[in-house]
Amino acid sequence: DVKVTQSSRYLVKRTGEKVFLECVQDMDHENMFWYRQDPGLGLRLIYFSYDVKMKEKGDIPEGYSVSREKKERFSLILESASTNQTSMYLCASSTPSLAEAFFGQGTRLTVV
Amino acid sequence: AQSVAQPEDQVNVAEGNPLTVKCTYSVSGNPYLFWYVQYPNRGLQFLLKYITGDNLVKGSYGFEAEFNKSQTSFHLKKPSALVSDSALYFCAVRDIWNDYKLSFGAGTTVTVRA
Repeated sequence: DVKVTQSSRYLVKRTGEKVFLECVQDMDHENMFWYRQDPGLGLRLIYFSYDVKMKEKGDIPEGYSVSREKKERFSLILESASTNQTSMYLCASSTPSLAEAFFGQGTRLTVV
Repeated sequence: AQSVAQPEDQVNVAEGNPLTVKCTYSVSGNPYLFWYVQYPNRGLQFLLKYITGDNLVKGSYGFEAEFNKSQTSFHLKKPSALVSDSALYFCAVRDIWNDYKLSFGAGTTVTVRA
């Protein structure tokens, strides 16, 4: 069964902290994505990666960075968390083909 | 740039009645179109997709969607809604020339009343 696993379901961090969100997929997919989900705005793409050590900015990369050292793992980093980064974060993976993307269960991050 | 519009924030229907969730899209080339569903505090689950071929696509849980190129629409439909269909539904598009990026609409909350 296909699986994308995010390391935390709920996270509370303080303003200014460095935050790591981890995502692992077991499908050998080339593409991995980080989205944030906010009410009324849908899902917005933060960063994506199409290969190990490769990354591309999405629509809202400011305040975020990513790391992909291994094919199965894609990390989202908040260098200095701010309250406006309180959101639901969703990781996804896909093959570079016509296939759909598979999503993790999401991490609800609260920055106080 | 590619984009998706879901014109209705909320859709309310009675159980047993037909359900329609609307979606229109904009891409520069030919589109790949997807519908996903999200239950509370969960990730997104894939429902169905249109790549090519028949304009009517059938998917999971009795859902189907119709691709209309002239109207740039991909509306989700279910002939007889269930209370368990109550969830948040997202339409998404991928441009054939921009294989990586999947763009989502704002989502439509469906409530099916018993």
